[in-house]
Amino acid sequence: NAGVTQTPKFQVLKTGQSMTLQCAQDMNHNSMYWYRQDPGMGLRLIYYSASEGTTDKGEVPNGYNVSRLNKREFSLRLESAAPSQTSVYFCASSPKRQAYEQYFGPGTRLTVT
Amino acid sequence: AQSVSQHNHHVILSEAASLELGCNYSYGGTVNLFWYVQYPGQHLQLLLKYFSGDPLVKGIKGFEAEFIKSKFSFNLRKPSVQWSDTAEYFCAVISYNTDKLIFGTGTRLQVFP
Repeated sequence: NAGVTQTPKFQVLKTGQSMTLQCAQDMNHNSMYWYRQDPGMGLRLIYYSASEGTTDKGEVPNGYNVSRLNKREFSLRLESAAPSQTSVYFCASSPKRQAYEQYFGPGTRLTVT
Repeated sequence: AQSVSQHNHHVILSEAASLELGCNYSYGGTVNLFWYVQYPGQHLQLLLKYFSGDPLVKGIKGFEAEFIKSKFSFNLRKPSVQWSDTAEYFCAVISYNTDKLIFGTGTRLQVFP
């Protein structure tokens, strides 16, 4: 039981390049989330998916898109990377949409130059 | 808008000292409350949670937190810290209305032997 896995662990992009961050969970959870973590700002929600087939914007969605490919996988895409998107990205999942604790992946450290 | 405040940004303690980290939230409805810990280079892990019942909750590694509804607070405590408690600590709140987990900005704890 691997929990929540993320790939890649590290990535360096040039401004304007695109990439997709992958996330998968093997806990049969319904809800999945993408956060970014920046120094002094805690974690901020980018997008979330309450269930397979649905996605919703979080606090900071601009510049990102997501796909809930199936119940296990939830990917985050940067179409045209900007230096402001340099951050650590965490994927998380929870059993139900409401009020349950979230389980986090190991994170992806992204640098945009 | 719902928010979570952690007033201590950086705390430095010696081993065996007592710890109290403050957390206040702004939402007045029914909430669930969490403390997460992030050890250096690792992902977030759940330390403890409050859903209902006894407002004094005990978590892993000797941590506890007290929910005081009248003060909108959920402070984290530990009677005697260890060097291995060096980490960043995040308070988080989820309301039944919004379904979104809101994080505080985090408190960095350094414990010296």
